[in-house]
Amino acid sequence: AQSVAQPEDQVNVAEGNPLTVKCTYSVSGNPYLFWYVQYPNRGLQFLLKYITGDNLVKGSYGFEAEFNKSQTSFHLKKPSALVSDSALYFCAVRSSTGGANNLFFGTGTRLTVIP
Amino acid sequence: EAQVTQNPRYLITVTGKKLTVTCSQNMNHEYMSWYRQDPGLGLRQIYYSMNVEVTDKGDVPEGYKVSRKEKRNFPLILESPSPNQTSLYFCASSLRSAGGISYNEQFFGPGTRLTVL
Repeated sequence: AQSVAQPEDQVNVAEGNPLTVKCTYSVSGNPYLFWYVQYPNRGLQFLLKYITGDNLVKGSYGFEAEFNKSQTSFHLKKPSALVSDSALYFCAVRSSTGGANNLFFGTGTRLTVIP
Repeated sequence: EAQVTQNPRYLITVTGKKLTVTCSQNMNHEYMSWYRQDPGLGLRQIYYSMNVEVTDKGDVPEGYKVSRKEKRNFPLILESPSPNQTSLYFCASSLRSAGGISYNEQFFGPGTRLTVL
């Protein structure tokens, strides 16, 4: 069975500090991994994805994520947080090796950047 | 402008009264999907469609129907809504990837907030 865990419901970080939003996954075969962000009263927006290749993936707005196969993790990071980064972040996974084409989302992590 | 549109944005209805939430995309995407978002549960996939006339169940399909008669439209139908279907619903679309398993990013609509009394 495929699943995603975001262990922290809420992450608070001071503006200018580095931020990390954690994600671990379970999937049969190799994963396709995604991060999306949701601002208030908006739909989700794509940030970045891991398909294959380099484990460090760079995305929109200065975000990056590192794929760690041994730890089955795909943590989202940013070197210096901005107040405008405050939003709800979702990790998602899909198996690359056939079967259903469902995309599984985590429960979300609310990031608050404190001025 | 490339976008996914949903209508209505807000809907309050009563138990048992059939309703349809429309979804349309103008990006010629093959893949479309419906999700519901509930506090503490994140997004859960209801149904998805790989192309016209091809639909499949997601995680939580019970109580919902979909159809894909045209590439751009993917309506969500609740034949007999119940209060446990009160939720925020999102439609999304993406290009289909080679080999069938989609690894392309999804574009989301603005959401439809449904309340069933």
